[in-house]
Amino acid sequence: GNSVTQMEGPVTLSEEAFLTINCTYTATGYPSLFWYVQYPGEGLQLLLKATKADDKGSNKGFEATYRKETTSFHLEKGSVQVSDSAVYFCALSNAGGTSYGKLTFGQGTILTVHP
Amino acid sequence: KAGVTQTPRYLIKTRGQQVTLSCSPISGHRSVSWYQQTPGQGLQFLFEYFSETQRNKGNFPGRFSGRQFSNSRSEMNVSTLELGDSALYLCASSSQGGHQETQYFGPGTRLLVL
Repeated sequence: GNSVTQMEGPVTLSEEAFLTINCTYTATGYPSLFWYVQYPGEGLQLLLKATKADDKGSNKGFEATYRKETTSFHLEKGSVQVSDSAVYFCALSNAGGTSYGKLTFGQGTILTVHP
Repeated sequence: KAGVTQTPRYLIKTRGQQVTLSCSPISGHRSVSWYQQTPGQGLQFLFEYFSETQRNKGNFPGRFSGRQFSNSRSEMNVSTLELGDSALYLCASSSQGGHQETQYFGPGTRLLVL
């Protein structure tokens, strides 16, 4: 079956530091990959996505590249801000009749950024 | 466009009761998915509805059920509540439920079972 593994948190950084959150996946075929972010008391918001190998998703300074050879989709940001403090989820969605509307999530990584 | 809305936002129930949660998708979206979020199990897929039909189901007991109406609004029901059902229940909508589509999430309903 499909699975997503994220680096364990929590991750604590100072403002303007470089961020990497590792994400690897197991899936058959060619899944689509997503990063979602959850702020306290809220639902999930899409941060970025990639739907085929070597695609790079980017948004708000965050980037992730779909690497099929290493089955990875690591999230990076060059300079984090206090406002980036949140929980980050890596997720995949696979094609096929048993996968309609189904996202498989990693366990989430808590990020705290200090001034 | 208005986002995904969920009602109620908070619920407190006791063991053995049943509960119904509601989700209104983004206008024009026909696929609605439901997820359960808990600290121990993380985010788990419950089921997906499209055009009033359940197309996909996660690994949850039959106490968890849902339905979708002709206007794409969806409800989920949990019968005979257990303490372990305490969770944040999230619904998400997309146009067709395809694997390349973005799912847009509502704010969730937080259920506490006492």
